[in-house]
Amino acid sequence: AQTVTQSQPEMSVQEAETVTLSCTYDTSESNYYLFWYKQPPSRQMILVIRQEAYKQQNATENRFSVNFQKAAKSFSLKISDSQLGDTAMYFCAPRRYSGGGADGLTFGKGTHLIIQP
Amino acid sequence: SQTIHQWPATLVQPVGSPLSLECTVEGTSNPNLYWYRQAAGRGLQLLFYSVGIGQISSEVPQNLSASRPQDRQFILSSKKLLLSDSGFYLCAWSPRPEEKLFFGSGTQLSVL
Repeated sequence: AQTVTQSQPEMSVQEAETVTLSCTYDTSESNYYLFWYKQPPSRQMILVIRQEAYKQQNATENRFSVNFQKAAKSFSLKISDSQLGDTAMYFCAPRRYSGGGADGLTFGKGTHLIIQP
Repeated sequence: SQTIHQWPATLVQPVGSPLSLECTVEGTSNPNLYWYRQAAGRGLQLLFYSVGIGQISSEVPQNLSASRPQDRQFILSSKKLLLSDSGFYLCAWSPRPEEKLFFGSGTQLSVL
C-alpha cells in the first residue's frame, strides 16, 4: 500500500511570494503517477499538476511546478507569484500503474495554504 | 465533453436511517468510478472503486456499500447510518488508470 506524508499542516505567505509544499510517499512500484490537487473553500477538487514517474523532467503548469526526486520519493509543489485565489487545501496523491491503477489515488492529509493580501 | 453529477449536495439523516447517494457520469463510456470520504479537516479516504458494471471493490470494511447498476451510474448506500458515517462524500471518475480523477461536487452528510 502507498502512504503519503505532507508534513506541513498549514502555511501562510504573502501575495506574490513563492511557496513550496512538501510531499513524500512510500511505494514499491517502479511506474506510477503523481498528482497535486487543490480544494478551495468551495470543496471542489481541482487538478493542479501531474507527473509521470518515468519522466525525469519536472512538470510545470503556468505558476505551478514540481520538484520530483524519485530516489528520495519526494514530490514538492512550488507556487510562484502566489495569488489570493491560491488559498486552498492542497493534496499530494500518487497513483500506481500496475494492476491497471484502477484503485485510484492515495491522498495525503493535505496542506492548508493561506495567501495573505 | 464529460461531466459528473453528484447529488444531493447536503443531507441530514438520523442515526439508523438508510442512505443512498447517486453519481452519474456523462459523455464517456466504461469509466473507472470511485467513492471517497473526507472527514472534517482531513484527507480523502477511498471507500469503493469500480472498473465495470457490477464490479465493486471495497477498500475499507464499514457500514457502507456501493453498487454500479449501469455503466455510468455509481451508488453509495447504507442500511443503517452511524454517527461515524458523517462526512463529505466525493464521487470521481477516470477514463484510464494513468489519467487524473475528475471529481463531483460532493455531498455533505450529517448523521444526527
